Amino acid sequence: KAGVTQTPRYLIKTRGQQVTLSCSPISGHRSVSWYQQTPGQGLQFLFEYFSETQRNKGNFPGRFSGRQFSNSRSEMNVSTLELGDSALYLCASSPGASGTDTQYFGPGTRLTVL
Amino acid sequence: GDSVTQMEGPVTLSEEAFLTINCTYTATGYPSLFWYVQYPGEGLQLLLKATKADDKGSNKGFEATYRKETTSFHLEKGSVQVSDSAVYFCALFPPLDKLIFGTGTRLQVFP
Repeated sequence: KAGVTQTPRYLIKTRGQQVTLSCSPISGHRSVSWYQQTPGQGLQFLFEYFSETQRNKGNFPGRFSGRQFSNSRSEMNVSTLELGDSALYLCASSPGASGTDTQYFGPGTRLTVL
Repeated sequence: GDSVTQMEGPVTLSEEAFLTINCTYTATGYPSLFWYVQYPGEGLQLLLKATKADDKGSNKGFEATYRKETTSFHLEKGSVQVSDSAVYFCALFPPLDKLIFGTGTRLQVFP
């Protein structure tokens, strides 16, 4: 079975722009979660989607948004980029709703904001 | 709130040495516990997990036991290899909530 895939792998943007990141979960997985990883803040939860509905949300400003499609693929959007948004963005999928289900991570998208 | 505390790194060992990375947690419910590993330039890989007290997770020679009485989930390996050099993350997963990660511990193994 193919793993979680994320595109693009690397991205360079400038302040004020917006960006969309994509995540394709493992086949059959219905839950997708997004995390931001930075050296200073570590791994922080952004949001989780299950069956196209946002189930959980972390403490990030409204500039960060996401959605999930009927095929479970998910996108994450960041508007009005700031320098501090430079990070590795990780997507994880799991078979069902959060709980004891294991989350499987993709390789991440490294976003650099100049 | 729920949280995870990991020992500070880096942990530097010689090949074939014994490894322990400490992890303790604070949780109000009955979370599942995980260890993930991150190799340079890559995402997180699940190393092992335990879903209830006294469960032992194991994989690739690594082990960790879910100790509710000491709220710990320490990672151990009897003989490390250079290829084990990576960053290790302890995480807890409260039911119907989100994964909460520790700060990560960098392991460096020298030949």
